Amino acid sequence: QQQVKQSPQSLIVQKGGISIINCAYENTAFDYFPWYQQFPGKGPALLIAIRPDVSEKKEGRFTISFNKSAKQFSLHIMDSQPGDSATYFCAAYSGVSTSGSRLTFGEGTQLTVNP
Amino acid sequence: IAGITQAPTSQILAAGRRMTLRCTQDMRHNAMYWYRQDLGLGLRLIHYSNTAGTTGKGEVPDGYSVSRANTDDFPLTLASAVPSQTSVYFCASRPQGAGWYGYTFGSGTRLTVV
Repeated sequence: QQQVKQSPQSLIVQKGGISIINCAYENTAFDYFPWYQQFPGKGPALLIAIRPDVSEKKEGRFTISFNKSAKQFSLHIMDSQPGDSATYFCAAYSGVSTSGSRLTFGEGTQLTVNP
Repeated sequence: IAGITQAPTSQILAAGRRMTLRCTQDMRHNAMYWYRQDLGLGLRLIHYSNTAGTTGKGEVPDGYSVSRANTDDFPLTLASAVPSQTSVYFCASRPQGAGWYGYTFGSGTRLTVV
């Protein structure tokens, strides 16, 4: 049972285009929503994150949009570049956990940006 | 170089064999984690340790065991490997008091059970 659902599973975009990855969550106890970027042969690395009381967070070409009422959030990559080709994971973090499962990941999106 | 070292990088293992995946960190982080990554399922938590001497079960613990004898090392053992344990395994750590921003991941171990 996936607590954080991510789509699409794969995405192909032309250079200069906009890449959009969507996520939805169920647990209202989550209090931070990070995105991770993973290149082949590497572990995930933190890319950008947003609090649930903020509707948008922008860092360079990367923007998170957050809709608390719909329990959905998305990552937008503007002016996508071939170097952005990677797997992207949305995640949800709970600061209060009795099980140690503080960080819950979505299924992942494999992004390919064609030159 | 500060970070997490995982070994081996990759391994092909016969079903039924015992295997230990090694994870060492030099950042003196209190908490450590083992995740498995499978296509279409993302990263799922196997076991965790909030501090040396303590461990806990994550989302998919069956078939795996861990130990945390000291702060730096957090080995993951497959007692009798099965093909469904074919996956990429990531070790992660987090310093005490750090929140969502504090996770550091290793580069992973690709395990194939045949």
